[in-house]
Amino acid sequence: ETGVTQSPTHLIKTRGQQVTLRCSSQSGHNTVSWYQQALGQGPQFIFQYYREEENGRGNFPPRFSGLQFPNYSSELNVNALELDDSALYLCASSPNRGINEQFFGPGTRLTVL
Amino acid sequence: AQKVTQAQTEISVVEKEDVTLDCVYETRDTTYYLFWYKQPPSGELVFLIRRNSFDEQNEISGRYSWNFQKSTSSFNFTITASQVVDSAVYFCALSEATGNNRKLIWGLGTSLGVNP
Repeated sequence: ETGVTQSPTHLIKTRGQQVTLRCSSQSGHNTVSWYQQALGQGPQFIFQYYREEENGRGNFPPRFSGLQFPNYSSELNVNALELDDSALYLCASSPNRGINEQFFGPGTRLTVL
Repeated sequence: AQKVTQAQTEISVVEKEDVTLDCVYETRDTTYYLFWYKQPPSGELVFLIRRNSFDEQNEISGRYSWNFQKSTSSFNFTITASQVVDSAVYFCALSEATGNNRKLIWGLGTSLGVNP
């Protein structure tokens, strides 16, 4: 059974640029959630996708957008990057959108200069 | 509003000591779920336990145990005979159980350092 994978591991961008982060969910999981974790903080929920549809969104601006594909992998896109977007971005998959434990990937460390 | 408080920012213990990590939560929901996750230096969050609001039984898993007390809105985590490999940041999280939005509300985490 393959766990949750994320790419890239690290990324450096400059203010104003756009970035796409990728996540492959664990086999058999149809729900993917994205979180932003700033240094020394707990994760903050960005949004969740269930069977290719957005299934809830946290308090993030529209320049944070996402997609889920038929194979349940997912992308997080961030436009017009700001310095405060520097964080660890975590993807988690779960078997369905009910209350299940979420299995996290190793994260993508984004640095915005 | 839902909220999770982990009052202990950092804890340092010597190997083999017992240590308890505190978690206090606030919610208006009658049905909810609580979680503990471990985040080692590698960054990946590791699921430890899920508890629903109707199950107040304490749970033990090896050296780990959890004490859920609805009366005090607490869900504390104890590591018995700590080991250096237990060094990590530990997060407590709360989830709504109604509607389709299953987001987790996280505490700020407790950084545990276990010294040899």
